[in-house]
Amino acid sequence: AQTVTQSQPEMSVQEAETVTLSCTYDTSESDYYLFWYKQPPSRQMILVIRQEAYKQQNATENRFSVNFQKAAKSFSLKISDSQLGDAAMYFCAYRSSTSGTYKYIFGTGTRLKVLA
Amino acid sequence: DTGVSQDPRHKITKRGQNVTFRCDPISEHNRLYWYRQTLGQGPEFLTYFQNEAQLEKSRLLSDRFSAERPKGSFSTLEIQRTEQGDSAMYLCASSTNSGGADTQYFGPGTRLTVL
Repeated sequence: AQTVTQSQPEMSVQEAETVTLSCTYDTSESDYYLFWYKQPPSRQMILVIRQEAYKQQNATENRFSVNFQKAAKSFSLKISDSQLGDAAMYFCAYRSSTSGTYKYIFGTGTRLKVLA
Repeated sequence: DTGVSQDPRHKITKRGQNVTFRCDPISEHNRLYWYRQTLGQGPEFLTYFQNEAQLEKSRLLSDRFSAERPKGSFSTLEIQRTEQGDSAMYLCASSTNSGGADTQYFGPGTRLTVL
């Protein structure tokens, strides 16, 4: 069974600085999708960025980028020029694209604090 | 596109009572998912529908839980004879297969407290 691990329960970053959130996963599959979702306090989860495993190029969305290392099964999120609005729980998620299931498997999350 | 909506947002009930939650997906999305999230944890998959067919159920979904999506639009999740361990946030998400990724869009959740 696939698992997703986020080893950093909490991270802090100074406003305007850069922070990297870690995510590792375990799977025997070769094709899958990886996601980062943001969950602000008392608000719904929103998609930050998505990576298809068959793509070697790392995904980028504005200030957010990933470092996808398929062989190492690592999928870290880099937030550049951190803003106060980036403060939230961040969840890494895995979805198989070959096993016929569409469910996500989530990590336990990393709480990001942004210091003014 | 009004997003995924859930009702109610909060529910407090006494142990042993039945509760029902509703989820309205994004209108053109044919897949609908339910997850449960407890404090300090990531969401855990419960079940999902493709149109009106319930295609997958987690072992977390005990006999006290039932979900329906009768016309392939909104969905309901019912918990019978609630227990304190059912206290959690229940999240609904929807998706459609555009380009293969089937990205899920989440609703605000229903927070259940069982006293």
